[in-house]
Amino acid sequence: QLQLQESGSRLVKPSHTLSLTCAVSGGSVSSGAYSWSWIRQPPGKGLEWIGYIYHSGSTYYNPSLKSRVTISVDMSKNHFSLNLTSVTAADTAVYYCAREGYGDYDGVIETWGQGTLVTVSS
Amino acid sequence: DIQMTQSPSSLSASVGDSVTITCRASESIGTFLNWYQQKFGKAPQLLIYAASNLQSGVPSRFSGSGSETDFTLTINGLQPEDFATYYCQQSYVTLATFGQGTKVEIK
Repeated sequence: QLQLQESGSRLVKPSHTLSLTCAVSGGSVSSGAYSWSWIRQPPGKGLEWIGYIYHSGSTYYNPSLKSRVTISVDMSKNHFSLNLTSVTAADTAVYYCAREGYGDYDGVIETWGQGTLVTVSS
Repeated sequence: DIQMTQSPSSLSASVGDSVTITCRASESIGTFLNWYQQKFGKAPQLLIYAASNLQSGVPSRFSGSGSETDFTLTINGLQPEDFATYYCQQSYVTLATFGQGTKVEIK
């Protein structure tokens, strides 16, 4: 069974870079035609899709964050990562990594990590 | 961006009730509509994909319907474990967008 686990800095200073990694177990980031995504949820608010990296390595980012976001994959470590630069308090959120399906599940967020709260504060 | 609007934002219901949540898209999305359940402090979980397909392991009291711009999630016979927040999400375009959520509370 596929499992995803986020890790990284839980407290980030304003203007600094938020860095998170999602460890994949029970599956491989290089298999199939899956997309590996990041989604966030500010405390008490709704869900915002950040972007994904496709199994081929191509990426797609939410235009509202595109200038600050990088998603990468390390197949040797079977994980993928999120970097968000120049953070502000508005970037405080629970960050989820996830897998999106393909075929009948194209664009469907079928598996989620447990999420990690990242707070932006000095 | 395709805007997704859910209604109501919250509702109160009793165990055994049937509830319906509506999701409206700002433009036609075919049946590229998915529903998720999020319990407090937990990650969302997929309930229904492609408007009406029940994800494996999800109880049959959950059902979805709709197409183009108007969609519904129905829970027939609400159970205690169903009290949660429900989100719709469109997967018609690469930039996925979500509804604002509907919180189902115990009456």
